[in-house]
Amino acid sequence: NAGVTQTPKFQVLKTGQSMTLQCAQDMNHEYMSWYRQDPGMGLRLIHYSVGAGITDQGEVPNGYNVSRSTTEDFPLRLLSAAPSQTSVYFCASSRTGSSYNSPLHFGNGTRLTVT
Amino acid sequence: AQSVAQPEDQVNVAEGNPLTVKCTYSVSGNPYLFWYVQYPNRGLQFLLKYITGDNLVKGSYGFEAEFNKSQTSFHLKKPSALVSDSALYFCAVRHDTGTASKLTFGTGTRLQVTL
Repeated sequence: NAGVTQTPKFQVLKTGQSMTLQCAQDMNHEYMSWYRQDPGMGLRLIHYSVGAGITDQGEVPNGYNVSRSTTEDFPLRLLSAAPSQTSVYFCASSRTGSSYNSPLHFGNGTRLTVT
Repeated sequence: AQSVAQPEDQVNVAEGNPLTVKCTYSVSGNPYLFWYVQYPNRGLQFLLKYITGDNLVKGSYGFEAEFNKSQTSFHLKKPSALVSDSALYFCAVRHDTGTASKLTFGTGTRLQVTL
């Protein structure tokens, strides 16, 4: 059981480039989300989805787009990369979005550097 | 707004000694609290949760957490630390946004266990 799989593990972009961070889960989870982790700031929620075709903004959505066409996949798109988007990105999923009993399952992260 | 605070950036403890990692919370309504652990170059892993019931919650790897409503605290504890417990620990609070419940994380506490 692979759990939550993120690709790539590392990425370097130049300012203004675009790219997509991939996230896939094989647990049939309804809820999927993207966080970014920055030193001294913990994890901050970028976007989340409670099911296929449904997405919503988190705490820091600017500069990022998401879509959820299938239950399994939740890609994160950077439209025009900026140095402020240098961070470690984590995808996480849980069985439901509404149950307080569902812990999040995390991928191993994508380390992104924007020069 | 819902929030958690982790007042210590780092906690140092000798192997075999008890450890405590502190967390305080601020929520409106009932608190739903979680602890996660992050090992180097990995995503976060769920340790334990408090939803309702007993104030002492037991979790993975021998960890437990004490919920104290009057002090709005949810401290992580372990009776006897191991070197392998060295990692980054995050406290989180789950709250309902209307469309889904979200996790808000603290800034993290690095635990260093030495021989």
